[in-house]
Amino acid sequence: DAKTTQPNSMESNEEEPVHLPCNHSTISGTDYIHWYRQLPSQGPEYVIHGLTSNVNNRMASLAIAEDRKSSTLILHRATLRDAAVYYCILRDSGAGNMLTFGGGTRLMVKP
Amino acid sequence: NAGVMQNPRHLVRRRGQEARLRCSPMKGHSHVYWYRQLPEEGLKFMVYLQKENIIDESGMPKERFSAEFPKEGPSILRIQQVVRGDSAAYFCASSPWDNSNYGYTFGSGTRLTVV
Repeated sequence: DAKTTQPNSMESNEEEPVHLPCNHSTISGTDYIHWYRQLPSQGPEYVIHGLTSNVNNRMASLAIAEDRKSSTLILHRATLRDAAVYYCILRDSGAGNMLTFGGGTRLMVKP
Repeated sequence: NAGVMQNPRHLVRRRGQEARLRCSPMKGHSHVYWYRQLPEEGLKFMVYLQKENIIDESGMPKERFSAEFPKEGPSILRIQQVVRGDSAAYFCASSPWDNSNYGYTFGSGTRLTVV
């Protein structure tokens, strides 16, 4: 899987939007961009994924740059429950390609 | 619709004993992945199985570790003769297809402590 770069940590205030950046300058045309998060003492949780177009679901939005070399996960209104480590992962569309987790961004949410 | 079920949630073993970790994937999911997370470290891929077959075990230690996903029943990750360094959280994930356009569903993990 191609490499991604994320800030080690970010802080946010409760009920404010959060923009979590991810750089993936070596992304290939067949790489999907996946986001997962891991709350303390829990297993990872799927958040969202996309290929080229921006994506929205009930949890978050994914904004993908036109050249696909970066993306941003948007939490529209952070809650204390959103405090977690967020992982941005590239996954090639070919068969047999597993998710490879990096260090992620630790998001802290202040009340 | 139950999610991925892992048991036990916590497992304590003495050095030299065997540990058996079980994972029941989501209904309809035939692809199972095992990951290990050492204390204060990231998630590392161990093994990928599809019903009755090991597809990729490149992340699994060559000695003492084995995995299976039989036609009937849960996937099992087996660790023989455990050592203190095996203490970690072990997570199982499942997916319906081997396709990057699908996400994984993870279980809550088994936390293994070797004393």
